[in-house]
Amino acid sequence: DAGVTQSPTHLIKTRGQQVTLRCSPKSGHDTVSWYQQALGQGPQFIFQYYEEEERQRGNFPDRFSGHQFPNYSSELNVNALLLGDSALYLCASRLRGGNEAFFGQGTRLTVV
Amino acid sequence: AQSVTQPDIHITVSEGASLELRCNYSYGATPYLFWYVQSPGQGLQLLLKYFSGDTLVQGIKGFEAEFKRSQSSFNLRKPSVHWSDAAEYFCAVGGWIDDMRFGAGTRLTVKP
Repeated sequence: DAGVTQSPTHLIKTRGQQVTLRCSPKSGHDTVSWYQQALGQGPQFIFQYYEEEERQRGNFPDRFSGHQFPNYSSELNVNALLLGDSALYLCASRLRGGNEAFFGQGTRLTVV
Repeated sequence: AQSVTQPDIHITVSEGASLELRCNYSYGATPYLFWYVQSPGQGLQLLLKYFSGDTLVQGIKGFEAEFKRSQSSFNLRKPSVHWSDAAEYFCAVGGWIDDMRFGAGTRLTVKP
């Protein structure tokens, strides 16, 4: 059983560009959450998707948006990239109401 | 609002010595509490979790944590630290629906 998979593993983008990160949840999981982890900091909650809708959102600007597909996979989109968006982006999945989330290995985004 | 405070940014202990990492949380309902470990360039690995029941929780790699509701704390302990325990440790709080919120982390250095 594959765990949570994220793609790509590394990405370099130029300031002002747009980026899409992808996440496939663990089999049987229906809830996907995204986190941003800047260097030397703890993961910061971006948003949660369930039933193809954004259910919860952290303190992130509208430049950060997402999508969940019928197969529960998810995308994170970031528009108008800033240097400060450089970070490790983590995806976590769980079963709605379940008490443990499983994390992917993350996508390292570098904005130059 | 949920939040986590890890008061110690960096801790150094000698190999074989005992370890305690502090975590205080704020959450309006019954919390789910977690400790994760992260090695450089790696994703998050779950050490242990608390949902209900016995307030002393055993985890992997010989770690344990104690939930103290009166103190809003969930401190992580290990009786004897190994050099391989050197890493970043994150405490997190969540709920049945609410996603996890992480602390800023504690970096553990192990002296030979």
